[in-house]
Amino acid sequence: GIQVEQSPPDLILQEGANSTLRCNFSDSVNNLQWFHQNPWGQLINLFYIPSGTKQNGRLSATTVATERYSLLYISSSQTTDSGVYFCAADLVRDDKIIFGKGTRLHILP
Amino acid sequence: EAGVAQSPRYKIIEKRQSVAFWCNPISGHATLYWYQQILGQGPKLLIQFQNNGVVDDSQLPKDRFSAERLKGVDSTLKIQPAKLEDSAVYLCASSLGLAGPTGELFFGEGSRLTVL
Repeated sequence: GIQVEQSPPDLILQEGANSTLRCNFSDSVNNLQWFHQNPWGQLINLFYIPSGTKQNGRLSATTVATERYSLLYISSSQTTDSGVYFCAADLVRDDKIIFGKGTRLHILP
Repeated sequence: EAGVAQSPRYKIIEKRQSVAFWCNPISGHATLYWYQQILGQGPKLLIQFQNNGVVDDSQLPKDRFSAERLKGVDSTLKIQPAKLEDSAVYLCASSLGLAGPTGELFFGEGSRLTVL
């Protein structure tokens, strides 16, 4: 079946470090979104990125749709970056949005 | 611009009782989604509405879950009777939902259900 896989599942870093989170998808997508789930459970939009590269402050994302992956970069990590990061792929085949299982990021002070 | 509104934020019930969650999407958003997120997992789509019509409810346990969006704006998700495994966060999201790809999703704060 259609799959959206995220890696790594867990990541522990020291404050100030850089990180790269990956999202692979098994089928063609209309678009891809990255979310950060804060400690209170709300999903906060980070990027809506069907292709190409976008940057927002210390965060940037790149989607290579032809190779079916997207990357989220976090530079100079802060403790407030901790939480779970999800990617969600909008599938061309049936216009369904499927979430990955998330990457749990823990930034140590 | 107001975001997606959900209520209640928290609900504790005993098994076999019923519960209802309410969602008001971003103004002008035609597509509304209900997701279930069990602890430690990613959100799972329960039902997707386009205006007041159902686009996808293939993962909705229809023997106990129901949802409606009568006037194409607000939506209610009901569980009756609840089971222990229904303990989860119920997330409502909306998107513009114009013709073509679904568009950017925006989520509410969620409704956390605990079934005892």
